[in-house]
Amino acid sequence: AQSVTQLDSQVPVFEEAPVELRCNYSSSVSVYLFWYVQYPNQGLQLLLKYLSGSTLVESINGFEAEFNKSQTSFHLRKPSVHISDTAEYFCAVTTNRDDKIIFGKGTRLHILP
Amino acid sequence: DTGVSQDPRHKITKRGQNVTFRCDPISEHNRLYWYRQTLGQGPEFLTYFQNEAQLEKSRLLSDRFSAERPKGSFSTLEIQRTEQGDSAMYLCASSRYNEQFFGPGTRLTVL
Repeated sequence: AQSVTQLDSQVPVFEEAPVELRCNYSSSVSVYLFWYVQYPNQGLQLLLKYLSGSTLVESINGFEAEFNKSQTSFHLRKPSVHISDTAEYFCAVTTNRDDKIIFGKGTRLHILP
Repeated sequence: DTGVSQDPRHKITKRGQNVTFRCDPISEHNRLYWYRQTLGQGPEFLTYFQNEAQLEKSRLLSDRFSAERPKGSFSTLEIQRTEQGDSAMYLCASSRYNEQFFGPGTRLTVL
């Protein structure tokens, strides 16, 4: 069985500062990894995904995540956050491209002015 | 492509009542998933369909829960004899290849 651990339930960070949201996963087989974002009062949106190939994946709004197989991690980073990044971020894993997704508990990113 | 839609968006019911939620996936998406999200938690998988076939059910899906996708298009999730512990956001997602698109969810409150 797979599992996802997001160690930080909340991360406060000043606007324009860098941020890292941590994610570790557990699986005995190869995985596909995702970060989803949930803005206040909105549904889940896919932020970025790792399926294969380059271990560094990027989103269109400046986030990036790196798949580290040896550390079983998929941390999310952004060099400079904006107030509009305020949201809850979920790390997720699946072992088959069309299978159910296992989500972490989420990390609430709180941007300080 | 209008996205995944769910109806209703909010439902308040009394304990013991039955409720039914509907999900309309993106057209031509053959897979449809139901998840449940409680406060402070990530979404938890409930069940999924490929076309009209229900392929997997989580142990979270007790006998009071039933899901259908009769023609391989929209799906319904029914909860019978609701309990206060059923209060949650019920999310639907659909996929055709390797990305699940989520609907806005139905928030259920059981009084």
